[in-house]
Amino acid sequence: GAVVSQHPSWVICKSGTSVKIECRSLDFQATTMFWYRQFPKQSLMLMATSNEGSKATYEQGVEKDKFLINHASLTLSTLTVTSAHPEDSSFYICSAPRQGPDTQYFGPGTRLTVL
Amino acid sequence: GENVEQHPSTLSVQEGDSAVIKCTYSDSASNYFPWYKQELGKRPQLIIDIRSNVGEKKDQRIAVTLNKTAKHFSLHITETQPEDSAVYFCAASTRGGGADGLTFGKGTHLIIQP
Repeated sequence: GAVVSQHPSWVICKSGTSVKIECRSLDFQATTMFWYRQFPKQSLMLMATSNEGSKATYEQGVEKDKFLINHASLTLSTLTVTSAHPEDSSFYICSAPRQGPDTQYFGPGTRLTVL
Repeated sequence: GENVEQHPSTLSVQEGDSAVIKCTYSDSASNYFPWYKQELGKRPQLIIDIRSNVGEKKDQRIAVTLNKTAKHFSLHITETQPEDSAVYFCAASTRGGGADGLTFGKGTHLIIQP
């Protein structure tokens, strides 16, 4: 099946620093990728849609200046959490849709802990 | 926007019995309804999906039914096994699986009792 990778798988940082998370589609191209956030024992919440070659689209309540998204190529999207604070600690998961089966494939997620 | 409700939040069944998880959605324009299984600390794995032009879909022990009029869809797992224990999420999308982000239900923790 389609493979989506994320890097890093986990990261611990100090409050006030920035963290970059990469999402790659390994065996297919994705003009669109999605970023979700999942707090412990909760559901996945869509944060934003990453669009190759254009600006990302953010869901209501998500600060675009805090969560910077760059879709650098047809196989790579990055999410940068700027000036991270403890409340940003969460599981961040990306997904990429694939034509044909027309479904979304999820990355393995990145566990962010802000001290 | 879309709102997806999922019930129950926890479901405990005896091994070999059937499990049913139900979801309702609010946006009548939604036309794609996937179900994901997530184990602790892992990525969600698609187990089955259904589109609005189909009322029922089955894949071995797993089936999904869709009632567009009532705006609800259900996951049915038969002959449950210990490895079915996980959190299951339903989701909905208005533009198919590829063009739109997914709105998820809150999840159901399925426990298979040996």
